[in-house]
Amino acid sequence: QSVLTQPPSASGTPGQRVIISCSGSTSNIGSSTVTWYQQLPGTAPKLLIYSNNQRPSGVPDRFSGSKSGTAASLAISGLQSEDEADYYCAAWDDNLNEGVFGGGTKLTVL
Amino acid sequence: QVQLVQSGAEVKKPGASVKVSCKASGYTFISFYMHWVRQAPGQGLEWMGIINPTTGNIRYAQKFQGRVTMTTDTSTSTVSMELSSLRSGDTAVYYCSRGPGSGKHWFDFWGQGTLVTVSS
Repeated sequence: QSVLTQPPSASGTPGQRVIISCSGSTSNIGSSTVTWYQQLPGTAPKLLIYSNNQRPSGVPDRFSGSKSGTAASLAISGLQSEDEADYYCAAWDDNLNEGVFGGGTKLTVL
Repeated sequence: QVQLVQSGAEVKKPGASVKVSCKASGYTFISFYMHWVRQAPGQGLEWMGIINPTTGNIRYAQKFQGRVTMTTDTSTSTVSMELSSLRSGDTAVYYCSRGPGSGKHWFDFWGQGTLVTVSS
């Protein structure tokens, strides 16, 4: 059971906009920044969004993040086939004093 | 360019220990923290702990307290993670990942992963 809650799956057609949600509590998302990682099949995770809404260099602006209260979301616009991957949200939990992840969302591009 | 190169796959018997190493290059080693994250087959990511290579300060996830030991060797820019009393549930890919530290809890570069298989 993950500390952060994500839907297990999401899907969209090429060109569509997809939103993946991440729900937490006041001790993690509510008091920490949120990070998103993309994991392509068989590879290590890759940093996609940090500090709620910042993109590392090289990440297309089709990817955006937001946070409100104890929830966060990742939006992917102009969906492409290469976006098919697992997406994880993460934060620091002040009560546990540990890093915590969501269970991951498998994105399928139809 | 930043690289984190991990040691190779391991097969261990239940009750044994495993040590995974992670050699960093392409940046100032002591300027960043290092985290360990694992992923069981078909499962999600699980944070194991963090080490500050400068001070040696460590924080382990409660779940692994007493079984995990993280160390750093600044002379070789290498961090290591040893997990003891292995059981089948520890079968996973183990990743080292770099973090900015100073309250910034994200991982900007990851190692390639090390598969640890625990089987009798």
